[in-house]
Amino acid sequence: EDQVTQSPEALRLQEGESSSLNCSYTVSGLRGLFWYRQDPGKGPEFLFTLYSAGEEKEKERLKATLTKKESFLHITAPKPEDSATYLCAVQGGETSGSRLTFGEGTQLTVNP
Amino acid sequence: DAGVIQSPRHEVTEMGQEVTLRCKPISGHDYLFWYRQTMMRGLELLIYFNNNVPIDDSGMPEDRFSAKMPNASFSTLKIQPSEPRDSAVYFCASSFAPVYSNQPQHFGDGTRLSIL
Repeated sequence: EDQVTQSPEALRLQEGESSSLNCSYTVSGLRGLFWYRQDPGKGPEFLFTLYSAGEEKEKERLKATLTKKESFLHITAPKPEDSATYLCAVQGGETSGSRLTFGEGTQLTVNP
Repeated sequence: DAGVIQSPRHEVTEMGQEVTLRCKPISGHDYLFWYRQTMMRGLELLIYFNNNVPIDDSGMPEDRFSAKMPNASFSTLKIQPSEPRDSAVYFCASSFAPVYSNQPQHFGDGTRLSIL
């Protein structure tokens, strides 16, 4: 069974204070790791897909990296508008079909 | 380009009543997913369809839940009879192709369901 654990559960930063969110996963044959952002009252919004260890992707102040056991979402010089819950999801081997397994999320608050 | 559209946005009903949630996927997307999100269990996949055919319904909690996709632009998730433990936010998502082909799932803004 695919498993995803995100840490920390909550993170409070000052504007400009860089940090990282962690996503540890256990999956049989990773086919993709996905990062989403979710704002209150909204559905998850897609950010990145990573497929293989060593891969990195960037979008504005966000950079996602992937190893064989975990992924990090690095936030550089965050702004208050980066406050949201960040969700990590994995898609496992062939038996998973198109099923995604999500972590519980990290709730990020950036104070001005 | 319109995103995934769900209705209603909020639903409050009494235990035992039938509840129907609706979803219109993004045009051209041939995969449709129904999720449930709660504080206790996070985001869980209930069922997904490919070309209107249910592929994996292993996440449907029990027989009180049913989902249909009569055509490419409409799907429903029905709960009958509803129970207070069904209270959650229900999301619909769609994708252009299987997730492993580099196409992410796009989510609607959900239906917040409260069963009294």
